[in-house]
Amino acid sequence: GDSVTQKEGLVTLTEGLPVMLNCTYQTIYSNAFLFWYVHYLNESPRLLLKSSTDNKRTEHQGFHATLHKSSSSFHLQKSSAQLSDSALYYCALSASNTNKVVFGTGTRLQVLP
Amino acid sequence: NAGVIQTPRHKVTGKGQEATLWCEPISGHSAVFWYRQTIVQGLEFLTYFRNQAPIDDSGMPKERFSAQMPNQSHSTLKIQSTQPQDSAVYLCASGTGDQDTQYFGPGTRLLVL
Repeated sequence: GDSVTQKEGLVTLTEGLPVMLNCTYQTIYSNAFLFWYVHYLNESPRLLLKSSTDNKRTEHQGFHATLHKSSSSFHLQKSSAQLSDSALYYCALSASNTNKVVFGTGTRLQVLP
Repeated sequence: NAGVIQTPRHKVTGKGQEATLWCEPISGHSAVFWYRQTIVQGLEFLTYFRNQAPIDDSGMPKERFSAQMPNQSHSTLKIQSTQPQDSAVYLCASGTGDQDTQYFGPGTRLLVL
């Protein structure tokens, strides 16, 4: 079945450094829609950005990601990390014949001063 | 708009007891999703309704878990004979359609002793 892999469980970096959170996926369906959700402590997860267009950069709130169907990847990037970016980030896939959403295990981003 | 409402916010049950979790989706949203969140597994898909009809329950443990959506304003997740491994945060989300943004509720934190 469909799956999403986020290899890094925890990413720790210093404020001001670039961020890259990896996401790869597997699906046999061509209608893949990829999402990044962010989950701040004591809040509900919320959408950060999404894309279904191959090789098109999507941006929101300083973060960006490009869906590459050739490599089945949708990595999340930001040029300069801020302390307020510390949160749990989930990559998610919607494909299949039912369009259910499958989430990765999440990557916790910890930004230090 | 109050967002997705989940009740109770916290529930403690003894092993073997039943737990019923409630979700009220955002008015006008046709899709309702249930997830289980744990540190180890991240966000696990449980089940998905569209226009109150069950679409995909492939994530539901078959024996003790069940979900219903009797009307467009609420859905329930019932866990019979709860076990300690059922302890998790159960999240409900709603959306306007397939492959669209999901809006998450605050979750119900279930603790089975």
